[in-house]
Amino acid sequence: QVTLRESGPALVKPTQTLTLTCTFSGFSLSTSGMCVSWIRQPPGKALEWLALIDWDDDKYYSTSLKTRLTISKDTSKNQVVLTMTNMDPVDTATYYCARTTAAGNYYFDYWGQGTLVTVSS
Amino acid sequence: NFMLTQPHSVSESPGKTVTISCTRSSGSIASNYVQWYQQRPGSAPTTVIYEDNQRPSGVPDRFSGSIDSSSNSASLTISGLKTEDEADYYCQSYDSSIVVFGGGTKLTVL
Repeated sequence: QVTLRESGPALVKPTQTLTLTCTFSGFSLSTSGMCVSWIRQPPGKALEWLALIDWDDDKYYSTSLKTRLTISKDTSKNQVVLTMTNMDPVDTATYYCARTTAAGNYYFDYWGQGTLVTVSS
Repeated sequence: NFMLTQPHSVSESPGKTVTISCTRSSGSIASNYVQWYQQRPGSAPTTVIYEDNQRPSGVPDRFSGSIDSSSNSASLTISGLKTEDEADYYCQSYDSSIVVFGGGTKLTVL
């Protein structure tokens, strides 16, 4: 049974750095073809892909946000961490992590429940 | 990067058929697989179509996907509409390891 759970602060101040952790079970990030992605959704708006890390520790980022994002993994703990620097109120969103298969496709087959992050002073 | 453009909203009556389009702005729609996700209010998205036209187990065959190279677009078709199909639907594809979502379509079943 595949599960993912996001954790992190519910409130951050402008200019601070956000750190989110995705803790997963039911699969291994050391298995070829396995990846974990971060996706966010501002209230009432569309999904936006942020970053992906794969089994080989390759990392890919949204073109518009790559200067602010860092994704990393701890395979032994089954965790993926996303940091986003210089937070702004427009970054207020629900942040999801999702298992991503990369077998000739990037496809999000399992999602966490999401965690709402509000950016406000 | 390319964009995926969806209609903002569509509506149809129960029992009818609705089609939601997803147009790729540059590059061929056939070059990379397209997925479709359903998102009900307050919930995470779930997959209804992957790899252009494949249904995950548990998704009814009322949901189907296709691509049309002539219009460079993908489509999600839902037949025999039920009130439970009312949700937001997002298409998704990728290119050069960059993932792109469409802007989402709100389906109203009235």
